[in-house]
Amino acid sequence: EDQVTQSPEALRLQEGESSSLNCSYTVSGLRGLFWYRQDPGKGPEFLFTLYSAGEEKEKERLKATLTKKESFLHITAPKPEDSATYLCVPNAGNNRKLIWGLGTSLAVNP
Amino acid sequence: GEEVAQTPKHLVRGEGQKAKLYCAPIKGHSYVFWYQQVLKNEFKFLISFQNENVFDETGMPKERFSAKCLPNSPCSLEIQATKLEDSAVYFCASSQSTNTEAFFGQGTRLTVV
Repeated sequence: EDQVTQSPEALRLQEGESSSLNCSYTVSGLRGLFWYRQDPGKGPEFLFTLYSAGEEKEKERLKATLTKKESFLHITAPKPEDSATYLCVPNAGNNRKLIWGLGTSLAVNP
Repeated sequence: GEEVAQTPKHLVRGEGQKAKLYCAPIKGHSYVFWYQQVLKNEFKFLISFQNENVFDETGMPKERFSAKCLPNSPCSLEIQATKLEDSAVYFCASSQSTNTEAFFGQGTRLTVV
């Protein structure tokens, strides 16, 4: 069965304290993996797409990496505005089946 | 448009009433998706369209839920005879293809009382 597990469920950091969020997935026929951030009361905001193991993407303080079984979202020197829920969403199969986990809720304290 | 537009933002319905939600996808995107978010972060897939054709409807509760994407009109999701458990935020998303990222609207919060 296709599934995704994100850890930790919740993370509290001090401003400037770098860390990584983990996404473990078991998906048959992976056709890409998406990272989104979601703020309370808003829709998910697209961050990155990764298609193959070894691929990396960067945007400001965020860097996403992909292996055959995991993806990591590295946050370097986070700021309070990085506080959000981060969702890792593998895309499985030909009919675009997105596998949703519960996300990691990140709080960055000033 | 450059973003997915969902209306209304909030909708309150009495149990048994009809609810209709609208979504205008990003121009040029062929695929439209509807999701239901009930609990924190749990996204339940409902239905997807490729242009005006149903692409995947495996998530739709067929008895009371229906959806359409007609040319030159916003897509719609309709719930007949709403129940308390239909209370949720409904998100619409669109993408260019099945392999590319989807962009989400801000959601419609449906409250059934």
